[in-house]
Amino acid sequence: DIQMTQSPSSLSASGGDRVTITCRASQTIRNYLNWYQHKPGKAPKLLIYAASSLQSGVPSRFSGSASGTDFTLTISSLQPEDFATYFCQQSYSAPLTFGGGTKVEIK
Amino acid sequence: QVQLQESGPGLVKPSETLSLTCVVSGYSISSDYYWGWIRQPPGKGLEWFGSIYGSGSTYYNPSLKSRVTISVDTSKNQFSLKLASVTAADTALYYCARQYTIKDAFDMWGQGTMVAVSS
Repeated sequence: DIQMTQSPSSLSASGGDRVTITCRASQTIRNYLNWYQHKPGKAPKLLIYAASSLQSGVPSRFSGSASGTDFTLTISSLQPEDFATYFCQQSYSAPLTFGGGTKVEIK
Repeated sequence: QVQLQESGPGLVKPSETLSLTCVVSGYSISSDYYWGWIRQPPGKGLEWFGSIYGSGSTYYNPSLKSRVTISVDTSKNQFSLKLASVTAADTALYYCARQYTIKDAFDMWGQGTMVAVSS
């Protein structure tokens, strides 16, 4: 199975901050990496697919990038509604696997 | 607007079979897409069970395959998960979700349903 190592597991940030979350794959997954936002009691929301493509309707302050087996989700200017848990997922090969999640909290 | 809604028993006894259903509204389940099940045990990460196409072809997670059956009912526009021989380790928040192909992201998710395994 492909292991997805996500870091940090949590972070504290203030509104307007630039936030970066990283996922590292245990082997090549090409660009088959997706990012989601999850708030308690809500359905997870797809933010970024194929490493860097912005899902329709998602604000442009969210972006994704890739370098080899390292993938990054960046929030350019944190907004109040962005406080949530973020997780990555590889769709390169089954079984599909997820990162452990990053909880973004208010500083 | 596409919506997915999970339903299930909430509480299942050890060794029994857990059965969950995901009702899809706003889209025909027999058209294109794969429909999958994912869970998150308390305090742990997400785990994918498998995904099924509207025609019935499936991909399963090998680590769970021996206990899992995913099926689709196009007449009711819903798909189901059965997990046999449950233990306390199967206590989790269970989600259903949609993906265009097995290599695509899950672009729509249900809100999840909590299932506890306890006697």
